[in-house]
Amino acid sequence: DAGVIQSPRHEVTEMGQEVTLRCKPISGHDYLFWYRQTMMRGLELLIYFNNNVPIDDSGMPEDRFSAKMPNASFSTLKIQPSEPRDSAVYFCAVGGRTGELFFGEGSRLTVL
Amino acid sequence: EDQVTQSPEALRLQEGESSSLNCSYTVSGLRGLFWYRQDPGKGPEFLFTLYSAGEEKEKERLKATLTKKESFLHITAPKPEDSATYLCAVRETGFQKLVFGTGTRLLVSP
Repeated sequence: DAGVIQSPRHEVTEMGQEVTLRCKPISGHDYLFWYRQTMMRGLELLIYFNNNVPIDDSGMPEDRFSAKMPNASFSTLKIQPSEPRDSAVYFCAVGGRTGELFFGEGSRLTVL
Repeated sequence: EDQVTQSPEALRLQEGESSSLNCSYTVSGLRGLFWYRQDPGKGPEFLFTLYSAGEEKEKERLKATLTKKESFLHITAPKPEDSATYLCAVRETGFQKLVFGTGTRLLVSP
């Protein structure tokens, strides 16, 4: 169950540029999550949505990060302006009431 | 604050050499402990959910167990294809999000 399609798979950009990461859930789930993974800190939750409504954004690092879910089939995570410390793999995941999450392949972001 | 600690950070085994991975957790009320497998360049893949102390789940060479403070992932007679990072996560009562540990990198040599 892939659950999610993410794009782009890889993004290399320069500091100060805007970055938009995309997530398309394949099957119907009530919840959508954005996680960030680094070697130092592992998987960290950024934000999650329930039925397209943001529920908990306490993990969003700062105002440079924003996320939207305009409908059940699409979500974006935007970083503006990007900084080198934002370099990480960003995962989108979907899940239901039982709690299991199904992750996408991730978007590897490198900010130079 | 929920905490999940996994040990060891890395483990190297010979093919057929059984071992266990540990996940210790601190949570106010456990509403599920989850094990995932992650291959390089891929997203985490769901393996098991455990809900209460004493519960066990099995899948091929893997068996997960749960106590009130920790979970173990037992790997019996591992094969090279079991090489991956194994992640543990907890879900607290009243919350939907999962809090992950930093994982154990397992390498099984032929």
